[in-house]
Parts: sequence; C-alpha cells; structure tokens
Amino acid sequence: AQSVAQPEDQVNVAEGNPLTVKCTYSVSGNPYLFWYVQYPNRGLQFLLKYITGDNLVKGSYGFEAEFNKSQTSFHLKKPSALVSDSALYFCAVRVSGYSTLTFGKGTMLLVSP
Amino acid sequence: ETGVTQSPTHLIKTRGQQVTLRCSSQSGHNTVSWYQQALGQGPQFIFQYYREEENGRGNFPPRFSGLQFPNYSSELNVNALELDDSALYLCASSLRVNYGYTFGSGTRLTVV
Repeated sequence: AQSVAQPEDQVNVAEGNPLTVKCTYSVSGNPYLFWYVQYPNRGLQFLLKYITGDNLVKGSYGFEAEFNKSQTSFHLKKPSALVSDSALYFCAVRVSGYSTLTFGKGTMLLVSP
Repeated sequence: ETGVTQSPTHLIKTRGQQVTLRCSSQSGHNTVSWYQQALGQGPQFIFQYYREEENGRGNFPPRFSGLQFPNYSSELNVNALELDDSALYLCASSLRVNYGYTFGSGTRLTVV
C-alpha cells in the first residue's frame, strides 16, 4: 500500500523568507509525486510533479520540489514567500503503472506580511 | 480548452436520501476519478472510470456508485446518505490513465 506523510499541520513564514513544506512517502515501486494547492472553497490546483529525471522539479508560481529517493522525501520549496501563497498544500503519490493518487492530510501555509 | 466542471457547487440532503453529482471532464480526457475530501483531511480515492468502465476503486461501500458516459462526462451516485458522507467531492480528469490529473472545484455535500 502507498502512503504519504505531511508531518506539519501548519507552516508559518514571513513574506520574503524561504519556505519549505515537508512530504515523505512510502510506495512499492517507482513513485510519481505531485504537489497540489487548495484555496478556500476551491478544488485542487496542480503545482508540479516528479516522474523521472532531474531530482529538482520546477513548477508553477515559483515553487520547486526536490525528490530524494534515499530519504523517500519530496519537499516543496520556494525561495521567497508571498502573502498570496497562503493556502492548503497537498502532497500526493502514485506508483507508475497505476493511476490512484494517495494524498497526505495537507499542510496549511500561512505567510505573514 | 475547458477545464473540469462540477455541478452542483453546493448541496444539502437529508440522511437516507440519494444524491447524484455530475462532472464534465476536460476536453479530450477519457479518464475520470472521484475523490471525497472530508473536513480537515486530504482527498480519498473513491473510484476511477476509463472509457466508461470502472478500473479502480477505493475503500468505499457499494452505495457509492458511478457512471461514465460516451462523451466522458461522469456521475457519482450515493445512496442511503449518512451524516459522515458530508464532504467536498472532487472530480479529476486525465488524458490517459497514467497522465496528470486536472481537478474540478468540487461539490460541497452536507447531509443533515
């Protein structure tokens, strides 16, 4: 069975500072990893994905994530946070050859002015 | 190109009733998945349809059922509603089974 852990319920950061939202996963097989963002009363918006290749993945709105196979992690990062980045962030995984996405419980990111 | 559209956006039902939620996939997408997102939780996979056939199901009882139509639009039906069925229901479509997914904005179902 595949699983995702997002160890922090909430991350607080000041605008202009770098941010990191943590994600670890467990799968049997090669992982496909995703980050989605959810604003209040909205669906999920795709940020970025790792399928294969370069371990550093760049996505939308200046976000990036680093795949670390030995640590089974896929942390989301951004060099300089914006107040508008405040939202709920979900990490998700699926195994290559299967399409079911397994999500973490989410991390609320709060960026203060 | 159009995105994924879900209807209705909000719905209130009484315990024991039945409900149908609808989803129009992104143009050209032949795979659709449904997820349930309870308050404060991540989305949980309900089932997936590929070319009108169910090809994956999560840990949900049979009273959760679905359909996919020839135009790749989809329905989620829930019978005998329970209070715990209150959640945001998300539809996601994909070009192919192993491609990335585009999510709709969801239907907020409240069971009273």
